[in-house]
Formats: sequence, structure tokens, C-alpha cells
Amino acid sequence: KAGVTQTPRYLIKTRGQQVTLSCSPISGHRSVSWYQQTPGQGLQFLFEYFSETQRNKGNFPGRFSGRQFSNSRSEMNVSTLELGDSALYLCASSLDSGGYNEQFFGPGTRLTVL
Amino acid sequence: GQQLNQSPQSMFIQEGEDVSMNCTSSSIFNTWLWYKQDPGEGPVLLIALYKAGELTSNGRLTAQFGITRKDSFLNISASIPSDVGIYFCAVFTYNQGGKLIFGQGTELSVKP
Repeated sequence: KAGVTQTPRYLIKTRGQQVTLSCSPISGHRSVSWYQQTPGQGLQFLFEYFSETQRNKGNFPGRFSGRQFSNSRSEMNVSTLELGDSALYLCASSLDSGGYNEQFFGPGTRLTVL
Repeated sequence: GQQLNQSPQSMFIQEGEDVSMNCTSSSIFNTWLWYKQDPGEGPVLLIALYKAGELTSNGRLTAQFGITRKDSFLNISASIPSDVGIYFCAVFTYNQGGKLIFGQGTELSVKP
């Protein structure tokens, strides 16, 4: 069974630009969560999507958004990039939502904002 | 906000030694998890704990869910070079609809 895949693996952008990251969950998994990982703040929850609907949202500004497609693939978008958005963005898929289900993480997308 | 305090931040040990790390919280959580992250990869679940007082093993790894539901520890016995990485504790919370909260991580280095 293929694992969670994320594309691209590395990305360099400049301040003010926008970026879209993609996540393909494990086949059969319907929930996708996104996390931001930085040396200073650690791993922080961004949002979760289930059945094309955003279920939960973390404490991030509105510049961070996402969506989920009917095949459970998810994208996250960051608009008007700031230097502080440089981070490893991880997505995790799980079978279901609404309670604890084991989350399987992808390798992440390393975003550098210059 | 909710926060997990994980210690130590880093450890440098000799191959063959045992390792212990722990995680505490000021709040009660009903699901405690331990993950390992290798460089360039996402975290991988090592052990999940669902019951206060539970002691669970996975090979050379042993983790316990504290009886107060506010702490957990992870032990690694007879460390080997491939144990190198960052270990995270995490809890599942229903706050904001359900999400994982992670500790700051313990970076483990093993000298052959």
C-alpha cells in the first residue's frame, strides 16, 4: 500500500507570492490533516479536511487555506507569503474523523521564503 | 494554549545504553502517542497509549501512560545507531474539533 505522498518536496518562494502544496493520502483514507513544523514552534496543527469539508482549524491566519477533492487528495494554499512561513509542511492521512484515528504522515514539503 | 513539556531536549549516548524521555502536561488527555522523525521524513507512530497506567512495549521501546493522565514516558533499551532521530510525544485533543498536540521533541544521538 503506497504511503502518503506530498508534492513538491522542496519549494523556494519570495515574500508576497503565494504557494500551493499537494497531499495524496493513503488509499481509502478520507481524512487529511496539515501541520506546520518549525524549529521555534515545533509541530503545529493547521487544519483537517474530511469528505471535502474543513472539520477543524488551528490558530493560523486566514492566509492559510486548504481544500479537499472528491478523491480525498488535499491541497493547502498560503497567500502573501512572509519570511516566517518558511517551514516543513506535513500532511497526515487517517481513515476517519471525529475521534482518534492513527495518522500517517507524509515526508513533507520544505518551503523556503526569501 | 495547551502545551506539552518534553524533556530532555537532546541526548548524546553510547550505543548499547538505555534511554528515557518524558512528557508532561497541565491538562488531562486520554490518548498519548510517541512518534519518531528521521531527517527528511515525516513522523512515524511508535506507540499509542489509550488507558491511564497502561504500559506498552514495541520491541526495545516501552512507553507508559501516567496514572494522572497528565504525563507519559518512553524508554529505549540497548540503543543502536538507527535509533538516532527526533522523538515526539503527542496527545489527541477534542479541542477545536480534534487534533494532535506535539511536544517540542527530544533529539537523540547515538555514538557507535
